[in-house]
Amino acid sequence: EPEVTQTPSHQVTQMGQEVILRCVPISNHLYFYWYRQILGQKVEFLVSFYNNEISEKSEIFDDQFSVERPDGSNFTLKIRSTKLEDSAMYFCASGTGGSEQYFGPGTRLTVT
Amino acid sequence: DAKTTQPPSMDCAEGRAANLPCNHSTISGNEYVYWYRQIHSQGPQYIIHGLKNNETNEMASLIITEDRKSSTLILPHATLRDTAVYYCIVLSNFGNEKLTFGTGTRLTIIP
Repeated sequence: EPEVTQTPSHQVTQMGQEVILRCVPISNHLYFYWYRQILGQKVEFLVSFYNNEISEKSEIFDDQFSVERPDGSNFTLKIRSTKLEDSAMYFCASGTGGSEQYFGPGTRLTVT
Repeated sequence: DAKTTQPPSMDCAEGRAANLPCNHSTISGNEYVYWYRQIHSQGPQYIIHGLKNNETNEMASLIITEDRKSSTLILPHATLRDTAVYYCIVLSNFGNEKLTFGTGTRLTIIP
């Protein structure tokens, strides 16, 4: 069964460094999403992406964040200058439209 | 999107049916009821969705009341692997909808 994959599973970085989280969505999906979950808190929407552009972004998704689909298979989330409060699990999801979204296993980002 | 209300936690004996309720009294005519779950620290997992008719798939059944103000997710024969937080989400189905997760119901399956 096809699934969303994410790399790395765990990323440790120092405050102020740039990180890129990578996702490979399910191959025939056209809609892509990033969510995050701070430890012990709710899953929060960050951004949705369709047709090579951002469809919607939350207030969390400020100028420090960017997304890209550099080729036909990868979908990346970049955090330009990480802060301690960016420490969280980051989930990528993909879908064919509607609200049936398929999530990856997540990347645990730890900012020290 | 319509607001949903779920009990914070529930227990169910292994092998029994787990019935998880959700209230969504302000649901509008074009909004669907979606259920997702999150097993500890994993990515959320889509379970099922419906508009007004009852739905069944290999994971669960969804029963929506006639007035659509509430619904019940049924896991027919719960196993220990069904221990998770279950989220009821109401939203339209017009593509590219973000999911807004509440606090859900923490379901614990008891051996």
